[in-house]
Amino acid sequence: NAGVTQTPKFRVLKTGQSMTLLCAQDMNHEYMYWYRQDPGMGLRLIHYSVGEGTTAKGEVPDGYNVSRLKKQNFLLGLESAAPSQTSVYFCASRPDRQNQPQHFGDGTRLSIL
Amino acid sequence: AQSVTQLDSHVSVSEGTPVLLRCNYSSSYSPSLFWYVQHPNKGLQLLLKYTSAATLVKGINGFEAEFKKSETSFHLTKPSAHMSDAAEYFCVVSEGWDSSYKLIFGSGTRLLVRP
Repeated sequence: NAGVTQTPKFRVLKTGQSMTLLCAQDMNHEYMYWYRQDPGMGLRLIHYSVGEGTTAKGEVPDGYNVSRLKKQNFLLGLESAAPSQTSVYFCASRPDRQNQPQHFGDGTRLSIL
Repeated sequence: AQSVTQLDSHVSVSEGTPVLLRCNYSSSYSPSLFWYVQHPNKGLQLLLKYTSAATLVKGINGFEAEFKKSETSFHLTKPSAHMSDAAEYFCVVSEGWDSSYKLIFGSGTRLLVRP
């Protein structure tokens, strides 16, 4: 019963490098989300998806891209990493039914030097 | 526009004493409200949710919260704190009309439990 799995768990990048964070869920959820968590700011929504093949911008989308080619996977890409993107990234998923909570992964800690 | 305000960034209690974490929300429609807990280096775990049924909501680990529409509050309480309750707690709102079910997070309250 894995739930929501994020890989990698930790990563250090140099400014300008690119990378992709992977989120996988095994609960057949329609909705998936990417957040970033910074000290004193709670979680802020980067991008989200309401189903396979669809994506939409959240509160802080600049500098990130996403793809949802398969229902169970939601990828977050950084094309040219910047120090301001140093953060903890969380993925979440939920079913398409009223009043259901989001289920979160354990996070990816990303440092940009 | 919806928003969430957690009134205390840090709360410190002694083990065995009551816990009160305060949350006020702003919502233009019938909201869903949640409390999540985050232990160090972990993801977020759902404590409880309010979805327009009973105004007093019971959650896991002895926590409960009361929805007060007149005060736009959703405070989290526990009668007796345990050392394992030390963590960060987030109050979260989701608008009833928003079919994307986006969540708006408060900035968090860090609970410290003294022995």
